[in-house]
Amino acid sequence: EVQLLESGGGLVQPGGSLRLSCAASGFTFSSYAMSWVRQAPGKGLEWVSAISGSGGSTYYADSVKGRFTISRDNSKNTLYLQMNSLRAEDTAVYYCAKDQAVVLLWFGEFYGMDVWGQGTTVTVSS
Amino acid sequence: EIVLTQSPGTLSLSPGERATLSCRASQSVSSSYLAWYQQKPGQAPRLLIYGASSRATGIPDRFSGSGSGTDFTLTISRLEPEDFAVYYCQQYGSSPTLTFGGGTKVEIK
Repeated sequence: EVQLLESGGGLVQPGGSLRLSCAASGFTFSSYAMSWVRQAPGKGLEWVSAISGSGGSTYYADSVKGRFTISRDNSKNTLYLQMNSLRAEDTAVYYCAKDQAVVLLWFGEFYGMDVWGQGTTVTVSS
Repeated sequence: EIVLTQSPGTLSLSPGERATLSCRASQSVSSSYLAWYQQKPGQAPRLLIYGASSRATGIPDRFSGSGSGTDFTLTISRLEPEDFAVYYCQQYGSSPTLTFGGGTKVEIK
């Protein structure tokens, strides 16, 4: 069964750091790009960051650029999101999601994110 | 940066009715870059449509996507009880970035 399981969420003070993990199983992890998407309480979806299957290309939303770092360990089938300088507006459920291709744009088409984890909650508050 | 505006914000319909959801882009978007998702309360999103009109694996054929340029549509031909949810469009943009629309809630009338 294809599965994504996030962990690492919690309560952190403004300015603090947190590292999220996403353990993948049931598919060839290195063959797919991966993303982090977040959802603030009662709000819509916001894409945060993405990484190609090899890990060689990374992409960020302007709202997190310079503060968050996405990475992956294909030998451990695990995706990470290192979050630094956290702000109250970073409070959200964070989902990891599997893309349907090894890079975001595969032969000129975006295939979307077909597998999602259950999410991990990050709360930034003093 | 391209902004996706979804309308209406809420759609009140009865089971069996047809639902038409709109996603309008602030600039022209390639139809190859447009996806739709469904999200139910307390659940992760589910991919419905990619490439504006291609159904994802396992998605019933009552769901269909269409459109080009700046105007895209998700149509649910006959609403089933399990279709009442929030729907989001998403586009692949320059940089690149992946932008979501604000969502349309389909509720039972």
